[in-house]
Amino acid sequence: QTVVTQEPSLTVSPGGTVTLTCASNTGAVTSSYYPNWFQQKPGQAPRALIYSTNKKHSWTPARFSGSLLGGKAALTLSGVQPEDEAEYYCLLYDGDAQVFGGGTKLTVL
Amino acid sequence: EVQLVESGGGLVKPGGSLRLSCAASGFTFSNYNMNWVRQAPGKGLEWVSSISSGSSYIYYADLVKGRFTISRDNAENSLYLQMNSLRAEDTAVYYCAKLGGSGRNVDYWGQGILVTVSS
Repeated sequence: QTVVTQEPSLTVSPGGTVTLTCASNTGAVTSSYYPNWFQQKPGQAPRALIYSTNKKHSWTPARFSGSLLGGKAALTLSGVQPEDEAEYYCLLYDGDAQVFGGGTKLTVL
Repeated sequence: EVQLVESGGGLVKPGGSLRLSCAASGFTFSNYNMNWVRQAPGKGLEWVSSISSGSSYIYYADLVKGRFTISRDNAENSLYLQMNSLRAEDTAVYYCAKLGGSGRNVDYWGQGILVTVSS
């Protein structure tokens, strides 16, 4: 049973940079897991940000980027804006199954 | 504009059944794989089930296998989730989600529908 782990919470100052990570208990996360990242604000449906590790959707702001870092998938926000305060979820494809991480609550303070 | 609109949620007793529907528009529904994802109150996202564009490939999370059935009607641009033997822990907002062309990315989400399992 794959378990995907994210930082429960992170705090960043406006204009700063922050990196969220996504780890698997089965080993290193690689591009074969096709990491996806989503943003969810209270009372709203999730919104897709990144897929296949580092590909952006047409609506994804340029300040969001995805990568692999030290055996984990990573989402980096550069030049954080107040509206980036939200919950962020990663998703890994594990064979035929899909596994979400527990989410990272990002506070912009 | 891609739109996914869920319906069919509500209050059901433990052991009961419910059928969720998702009406899709703004894209060629028959070309894309689809997901159901749920979120219990105050909790994170949980993948429930996936179905390929032509219904040939269907997958379920272990927690719902044998109780839930995903299906689709490409002529009606609709996705379904038949939920049987419902338990209190199935209480959640259920989202319909479209997968992208690679089949390995979720790009659009519905607004979600609440299912409450309680006596």
